[in-house]
Amino acid sequence: LAKTTQPISMDSYEGQEVNITCSHNNIATNDYITWYQQFPSQGPRFIIQGYKTKVTNEVASLFIPADRKSSTLSLPRVSLSDTAVYYCLVGGAPRGNFNKFYFGSGTKLNVKP
Amino acid sequence: GAVVSQHPSRVICKSGTSVKIECRSLDFQATTMFWYRQFPKQSLMLMATSNEGSKATYEQGVEKDKFLINHASLTLSTLTVTSAHPEDSSFYICSARGRDVMNTEAFFGQGTRLTVV
Repeated sequence: LAKTTQPISMDSYEGQEVNITCSHNNIATNDYITWYQQFPSQGPRFIIQGYKTKVTNEVASLFIPADRKSSTLSLPRVSLSDTAVYYCLVGGAPRGNFNKFYFGSGTKLNVKP
Repeated sequence: GAVVSQHPSRVICKSGTSVKIECRSLDFQATTMFWYRQFPKQSLMLMATSNEGSKATYEQGVEKDKFLINHASLTLSTLTVTSAHPEDSSFYICSARGRDVMNTEAFFGQGTRLTVV
């Protein structure tokens, strides 16, 4: 079971790029890295997922070094509405083998005007 | 992405009564569903995992007789909190994964706020 470690909280200002790093030293070969965003009293919302190198979508980028023992979620030009808790999860597998997702403490991002 | 719907979004019940929470996958077949509980300012805690047609697997410390899970179809799982007490008040969230989805992400419901008075 891969354990993840993230900073408890981060502060940023509107328009800045925010990078949140997650450590997962015992990630397994089949594990994917997935990031979720959660607003108060809502279920987590998928942001991005990757296995290695770099993944980019319309809201974020995910950087994964070759050893896969960490990953960095990059949010470009954050706005006040990006204030939320961000969770890094490792697990899952290719279709047909569904591992559980255990949540770590998450990172509370506070975006200031 | 795929949609998971929970019902109700909020429920208040009296101590000693039972409450059922439904979790539905609207546009995919959910072969596996997960139930989480989240207390204020804390992370999500996995309670149990259920596969369609099988008994749920509970995490250590979660009472299976108190939190009854039924995953009778590929689109519906229910969590029943039996003989609820104030300490069961929490935010309950379901998550679903299916064999038809292309990636390995899990899709989450919007959560159910349970208050036991």
